[in-house]
Amino acid sequence: DAKTTQPTSMDCAEGRAANLPCNHSTISGNEYVYWYRQIHSQGPQYIIHGLKNNETNEMASLIITEDRKSSTLILPHATLRDTAVYYCILMKTSYDKVIFGPGTSLSVIP
Amino acid sequence: NAGVMQNPRHLVRRRGQEARLRCSPMKGHSHVYWYRQLPEEGLKFMVYLQKENIIDESGMPKERFSAEFPKEGPSILRIQQVVRGDSAAYFCASSPPSHSGDTEAFFGQGTRLTVV
Repeated sequence: DAKTTQPTSMDCAEGRAANLPCNHSTISGNEYVYWYRQIHSQGPQYIIHGLKNNETNEMASLIITEDRKSSTLILPHATLRDTAVYYCILMKTSYDKVIFGPGTSLSVIP
Repeated sequence: NAGVMQNPRHLVRRRGQEARLRCSPMKGHSHVYWYRQLPEEGLKFMVYLQKENIIDESGMPKERFSAEFPKEGPSILRIQQVVRGDSAAYFCASSPPSHSGDTEAFFGQGTRLTVV
C-alpha cells in the first residue's frame, strides 16, 4: 500500500475550523483515503473516507484533490474534545488491515 | 447494535502467567484485527482473522502469542508466560465481509494489560 505523510502536530483555536493535510502522491487508483483518530487512551475512531469525490458527514469533511495526491480533513468547528491524533490511511478494501503511521497530533486550544 | 466489545478492560498479570483477551466483533462482522499499543507509542498491527482462519499474522511476535476466532464465540488473543514488556493496550477491530472499500473497521475500547 502507498504511504502517507502528515504534519507531526498542529494547533487549532476552539470554534475555528481545523484543516489537517495529508500527502499521498503514490496513491493507486483503487485506494481509498480513510481518516481515523485516537483520543487519548481510547480506541481509534473512524471519521470519514473517500475515493475521488469530496465527502461530508456529521463529523467532518474530506477534500480530495483532483489528482488524488493529497487530501484535507476539515473539522468545521473544533472543540476541546477534538484534541486527538489523526491518522490518514490508504486502503484498497474495507478489510485491509489498517496500518497506522505517526499521524498528526491536533491540539484544540481554548 | 453494540459496538466492538473487548474484555476485560483492565487486566493485571504476574510475570509468567497467561493473559487471555477477548473481542466480540460487531454483529454481522466476520473480520477481526488485533493491534498493540505500547506506552507512548503508536498502534501496531498484530493479526487479522476471519472465522476459524488466520489471514495475516505478520505482526505477531513469534513466541508466546497466539490468536483465534472460532466459529462460535469471541476472538481470543492469548499471551503465554507474560513479561513486563507485554504491558500495553491491546485493541481489537472488526469489519463486515464486504468486497469493496466502502465500509470501515470499528475499534473496541481496548484491554490494558499490566504485567507486574
